[in-house]
Amino acid sequence: EVQLVESGGGLVQPGGSLRLSCSASGFTFSTHAMNWVRQAPGKGLEYVSAITSNGAATYYADSVKGRFTISRDNSKNMLFFQMSSLRVEDTAIYYCVKLGVGSWYEAWGQGTLVTVSS
Amino acid sequence: DIVMTQSPDSLAVSLGERATINCKSSQNILHSSKNKNLLAWYQQKSGQPPKLLIYWASTRASGVPDRFSGSGSGTDFTLTISSLQAEDVAVYYCQQYYSSPYTFGQGTNLEIK
Repeated sequence: EVQLVESGGGLVQPGGSLRLSCSASGFTFSTHAMNWVRQAPGKGLEYVSAITSNGAATYYADSVKGRFTISRDNSKNMLFFQMSSLRVEDTAIYYCVKLGVGSWYEAWGQGTLVTVSS
Repeated sequence: DIVMTQSPDSLAVSLGERATINCKSSQNILHSSKNKNLLAWYQQKSGQPPKLLIYWASTRASGVPDRFSGSGSGTDFTLTISSLQAEDVAVYYCQQYYSSPYTFGQGTNLEIK
């Protein structure tokens, strides 16, 4: 069974930093692209960042480009998200997502809540 | 970016009745060489992460009941629940994975009438 378990969320002040982690199991992690998707309270879903299976290429939504960094450690089946210069509008649940063969979002973690507030 | 627009925003249907949700993309999302529409549907129940229901516009994901079906091509798509069950109360999202960023519709809130 595919499992994605996020951690690292919490309350941070504007301008602060946070590092999210996602532990993956139940599938061959190193052969799948991964994404981070977020959902602000009471709002819809927003793609945030993507990384290829080998980590060679990364992609970001314009809203986070230059502030957030996605990375992975295939030897430990881990996905990471370094978030810096956080803004109030970054407040959201952040989901770790496994992509399917055709790039649909095949499996989602339970999410970790990031709250940016003074 | 491709804009995905769902209708309606909210829908109330009686138990056992049909529910229909529409999704329109601002660009054609039919992959010509694969002859497949790069559209997925997700279900999000309250307090839970989204769950994949449909991909390739009409292929049900593993374990999804056959009362859920997807149709459409090009820019216009539909998710149909043939006979609404109480456990189907949720917000439903369409998503295109034709080009990055993979954008979602705004969601349709499905309730029991």
